[in-house]
Amino acid sequence: AQTVTQSQPEMSVQEAETVTLSCTYDTSESDYYLFWYKQPPSRQMILVIRQEAYKQQNATENRFSVNFQKAAKSFSLKISDSQLGDAAMYFCAYRSAVNAGNMLTFGGGTRLMVKP
Amino acid sequence: ETGVTQSPTHLIKTRGQQVTLRCSSQSGHNTVSWYQQALGQGPQFIFQYYREEENGRGNFPPRFSGLQFPNYSSELNVNALELDDSALYLCASSFTSGSLHTGELFFGEGSRLTVL
Repeated sequence: AQTVTQSQPEMSVQEAETVTLSCTYDTSESDYYLFWYKQPPSRQMILVIRQEAYKQQNATENRFSVNFQKAAKSFSLKISDSQLGDAAMYFCAYRSAVNAGNMLTFGGGTRLMVKP
Repeated sequence: ETGVTQSPTHLIKTRGQQVTLRCSSQSGHNTVSWYQQALGQGPQFIFQYYREEENGRGNFPPRFSGLQFPNYSSELNVNALELDDSALYLCASSFTSGSLHTGELFFGEGSRLTVL
């Protein structure tokens, strides 16, 4: 079974600064997907960024980028130019590429606070 | 385009009772999955429905059951409620193609269940 670990329960960043959230995972599979989701107080999980394991290039989406280290099984999220609206819970998630459907394995989450 | 909607948003039950939670999938989506998110934790996969059949299940007992209807909406039923069932229940929908490739997951805002 796959596991996802987020070792930082809480992180804090000053507005306009950069912050990195950590995520490690354990799997014996070679093909899979990794995700970062944001969950604001509204409770709706929103996809931030997605990485396919077969792609060596790190995914980027505007101010959000990842550092994907497949051998180390590490998948960190970097948020640049942090904004007050970035404050939320962030979850790292894993999905197998083989017949997994919508079965995501989530980490325990990191609460991000943004200071004005 | 209508997003994923869930009802009710909040409800309170007592131990031993039964509960039904409802989910309307996003327009064009044919696959629905359910997640349980206990307070302070990441979501855990309960099960998934595709073509009105369960085709994936997490580590949840049989008293957690579901249905998917021809319009792709879904219900989650939990029998013999226990205190530990208190959680946010998230529904997510996606489109699965004939080759069983599943697209991006879109989440609803969840139903918060409290069991007393």
